[in-house]
Order: sequence, then structure tokens, then C-alpha cells
Amino acid sequence: GIQVEQSPPDLILQEGANSTLRCNFSDSVNNLQWFHQNPWGQLINLFYIPSGTKQNGRLSATTVATERYSLLYISSSQTTDSGVYFCAVVNFNKFYFGSGTKLNVKP
Amino acid sequence: EAGVAQSPRYKIIEKRQSVAFWCNPISGHATLYWYQQILGQGPKLLIQFQNNGVVDDSQLPKDRFSAERLKGVDSTLKIQPAKLEDSAVYLCASSPGAGGRGQYEQYFGPGTRLTVT
Repeated sequence: GIQVEQSPPDLILQEGANSTLRCNFSDSVNNLQWFHQNPWGQLINLFYIPSGTKQNGRLSATTVATERYSLLYISSSQTTDSGVYFCAVVNFNKFYFGSGTKLNVKP
Repeated sequence: EAGVAQSPRYKIIEKRQSVAFWCNPISGHATLYWYQQILGQGPKLLIQFQNNGVVDDSQLPKDRFSAERLKGVDSTLKIQPAKLEDSAVYLCASSPGAGGRGQYEQYFGPGTRLTVT
């Protein structure tokens, strides 16, 4: 199956800092989503972004499908941004999750 | 719009016992997924339904796990008998699945945290 790699695995930020999370995938995909898993375990949709760029408040994402990667940008980070960020891709109607980036934003 | 509902939220059982989880997807969503998430890892797909048919169950341990979605709406996942390594969070998700641009966009329920002792 397809390989999904996320980097960095862990990230510690001071509140107010900006960050970029990366998701690489080994084959063409029909879909890519970014999720935030909060400390209570809930997976929250951030972006549905098979290609192109989207923005939602302090967060934005870019997927370059031809080069097989996606980036999630977090600007002016807040403590509530802490948690694990996952990207998930769809390849031939099968879903694959990356192993996540664990973000800790310190006040 | 109501989200994906799951119950129970927590369950503690002894090994070799059986357990069942329930999921009600977002209204109108044709595709339903069950995932297993072990602590520190990403979710692993166990089974995917399209309406009441199975699309993918290649990672479901069929000797002990079973799932059904009889009327194409809600679904149950059962483990019998449970093992210690089944301790995990079981997540249910749904997506529109009806073709078109957003057919694969998944929405997750809160999960059921299972502890097997």
C-alpha cells in the first residue's frame, strides 16, 4: 500500500510562533485530509485538500499532488493548537493515515 | 447537523470476554468506517462499508472481530474473545460516498476507549 510520512514527529513551540508540518506520500491520491486530534482524542477536520491551497483563519494548507506532498501552516500558534496533527490520503478507495506530528504549544 | 455518534465512550473488560461498539453516522452518509487507534499511533482502518456492503476489510482480524451495517445506516463492531492487545480507541467515521468532489471527506465520532485487563 501507499506510504504516508509526516514530519517532524514532534514539535514544541512558544505561543505566537509559526510552524509548518509536512506530509509526503508515495503514490497518487484521490483525496487528502488534515486532522487535529485534541488531547481528548477527538479527530477534527481541518482541511479536505486533494490539491491546491486553502485557508481557514490562522491555518492554511497546500497540496502539490504532482510532487506528492502537502503542507499545513499554523500561524500565531495558541496553546489550544496542541495535540496531534494527522494527514490521511485515499488511494484506490483505500484510506491511509500518517503517524502524526505531535505539537506542544507552550504559554 | 448532528455529527457521528458512538457508544459507549469507555469500556473495561477482561480478556476472553466479548464487547460491542455502536456507531451512528451523519445522516445521508453512504460510507462508514471503523478504525483502531493504539496509543501513540495513527488510526488503522479495520473495515469500510458502502451502504450495507463491505468495501474493504483486509485489516480486520476476522477470527475475533466482526462488523455489520444491516440497514445501511448504523453499525456495530464486535470483538469476541478480546485479547490484551485489543486495548485501543475504536473510532467510527463517515463520509458522503456518493460520488462528486467531497465523497471521501471523513468525519469522525468521539471514539470508544477499550481497556482489556
